Amino acid sequence: DGGITQSPKYLFRKEGQNVTLSCEQNLNHDAMYWYRQDPGQGLRLIYYSQIVNDFQKGDIAEGYSVSREKKESFPLTVTSAQKNPTAFYLCASSMGGTPGQETQYFGPGTRLLVL
Amino acid sequence: QKEVEQNSGPLSVPEGAIASLNCTYSDRVSQSFFWYRQYSGKSPELIMSIYSNGDKEDGRFTAQLNKASQYVSLLIRDSQPSDSATYLCAVNHAGGTSYGKLTFGQGTILTVHP
Repeated sequence: DGGITQSPKYLFRKEGQNVTLSCEQNLNHDAMYWYRQDPGQGLRLIYYSQIVNDFQKGDIAEGYSVSREKKESFPLTVTSAQKNPTAFYLCASSMGGTPGQETQYFGPGTRLLVL
Repeated sequence: QKEVEQNSGPLSVPEGAIASLNCTYSDRVSQSFFWYRQYSGKSPELIMSIYSNGDKEDGRFTAQLNKASQYVSLLIRDSQPSDSATYLCAVNHAGGTSYGKLTFGQGTILTVHP
């Protein structure tokens, strides 16, 4: 089945700890995205990548880091610098950035909680 | 002014009625518009995309786009309790380094009561 997988479903972070959220897609999509969603809020863009080995900061990149070493994978690290990391994290992918290719499809999400 | 703004809701309609969800956007050069549905605790799923002025119909869903007024709406006919969810409007950023970026509205919670 083609799709986007995220793991783990739930993640607990201790004070001062870095944690990494996994996102994998087998849709052969070029572009991948990370969003954060807080209760009752829309989606805010953290980072996005249009192509392997390249990525750009979104609107709320501080305290987060990413890598894009493979087309299929776009892991997100929540660093200890992110002081309020509790949120629902969503990974998405799209074919590209031109009209008609921008439709983003989402993974099931990872819920991050702070201990 | 928010870049993408949705009617605040929550919106409550009886089963069988038409639900109307509205969205305005500020970027005049936006070309692509999307509606997503998000059930509580789940990730967003695409309902419809629209690129040209006018109406686009898919089953019980109709998207309407008016670029001159910078307005996009979603109508749900014959609303069902299973339509109860948060509906997210998303708008693209055209060209340049914003390639592929979407901006999402804050969402409208829809409740369809029997």
